[in-house]
Amino acid sequence: DTAVSQTPKYLVTQMGNDKSIKCEQNLGHDTMYWYKQDSKKFLKIMFSYNNKELIINETVPNRFSPKSPDKAHLNLHINSLELGDSAVYFCASSQVERNTEAFFGQGTRLTVV
Amino acid sequence: DQQVKQNSPSLSVQEGRISILNCDYTNSMFDYFLWYKKYPAEGPTFLISISSIKDKNEDGRFTVFLNKSAKHLSLHIVPSQPGDSAVYFCAASADYGQNFVFGPGTRLSVLP
Repeated sequence: DTAVSQTPKYLVTQMGNDKSIKCEQNLGHDTMYWYKQDSKKFLKIMFSYNNKELIINETVPNRFSPKSPDKAHLNLHINSLELGDSAVYFCASSQVERNTEAFFGQGTRLTVV
Repeated sequence: DQQVKQNSPSLSVQEGRISILNCDYTNSMFDYFLWYKKYPAEGPTFLISISSIKDKNEDGRFTVFLNKSAKHLSLHIVPSQPGDSAVYFCAASADYGQNFVFGPGTRLSVLP
């Protein structure tokens, strides 16, 4: 079974649409993250959730909103998509208290046309 | 402002030789460092880590060295194998794994 799974793997949509990317982890981790890999290949953290609380929110537009229905899920909702939102989005999870690495999903390639 | 830098976008090494990937950081508060390996169309996978209380950590063919005074770490792979061809990301955290800052990655090609 995949430890961190995100769907869909590819998403092509028009400007102005609203879309969601789902993420689930079966590792029992207490913290989940969303990262954006931009055109320069930098992996930049967008959000992290620890026990249903948002603990990091980098300077991302408020069109992006994370939703965590439970500890194993952290979905990413994006409203009014723009061309510049095109990127690969990675979900990740970790158990912070155990000082371990983060496990990543396979990524979602979002293309806004 | 890049807090974690990997100045070599790519590196080619002959199979069996040593690969050395370098990473520099600017934030002296970083206390935990990791290397991730990424194949195309897959998420990054953890390779090896080192905390700031150590200067070396070894795991099989992979060794990470940390020079805190120079704010520099390196990943050594020996011997290099074609399956090691991937993009390698250096990552650092100032709060023991809660918020990773990634470098831009180095693409390693191991030639048979």
